[in-house]
Amino acid sequence: QVQLVESGGGVVQPGGSLRLSCAASGFTFSSYGMNWVRQAPGKGLEWVAFIRFDGSNKYYADSVKGRFTISRDNSKNTLYLQMYSLRAEDTAVYYCAKLSNGDGFDIWGQGTTVTVSS
Amino acid sequence: QSVLTQPPSASGTPGQRVTISCSGSSSNIGSNTVKWYQQLPGTAPKLLIYSNNQRPSGVPDRFSGSKSGTSASLAISGLQSDDEADYYCAAWDDSLIGWVFGGGTKLTVL
Repeated sequence: QVQLVESGGGVVQPGGSLRLSCAASGFTFSSYGMNWVRQAPGKGLEWVAFIRFDGSNKYYADSVKGRFTISRDNSKNTLYLQMYSLRAEDTAVYYCAKLSNGDGFDIWGQGTTVTVSS
Repeated sequence: QSVLTQPPSASGTPGQRVTISCSGSSSNIGSNTVKWYQQLPGTAPKLLIYSNNQRPSGVPDRFSGSKSGTSASLAISGLQSDDEADYYCAAWDDSLIGWVFGGGTKLTVL
């Protein structure tokens, strides 16, 4: 079935780094743009980053620009988010989400939790 | 402070019709399509409406979306207890060069 499974979350100290992964299955991963969206505890959704189907274009939210890098390996059907210089305000559940051809994020993973704390 | 503005809460009784508004600007809703997401407690968001008023397969026709100028709304008719969830609007923003979400509306079924 169509599925996205995130991994790599955990507890990290301020200033630290972490890499999240999102394994895709059940659809042609290399044909779709992909996103990371996060949700801080008790807060709303915040879009983080987008990567085009072929990796040729990447966009970032201002809040993470210069600190986070989105990438993908289409041979492994996997999306990544490399996070550097982590701050307390980066604490959130991180979801990967597929951009549908029609419009909108039609497939979401279950999320992985990142906690930035000393 | 979210780029798109939604009321923090809404409520209705079973069977009632409720609407949730979403206000933006010319760089987002005014020039791009609106999506709506439903997030049930403890779960990942789910696409409810895309392209302003289109429902993905499997979404009941009790859910409908509309857009006018720089505002949009989600209507839920025949309210049911399992509609109790957080609802988010979203759109691409040409100025920010990214997607923006509303702050979310918590729907309570009384």
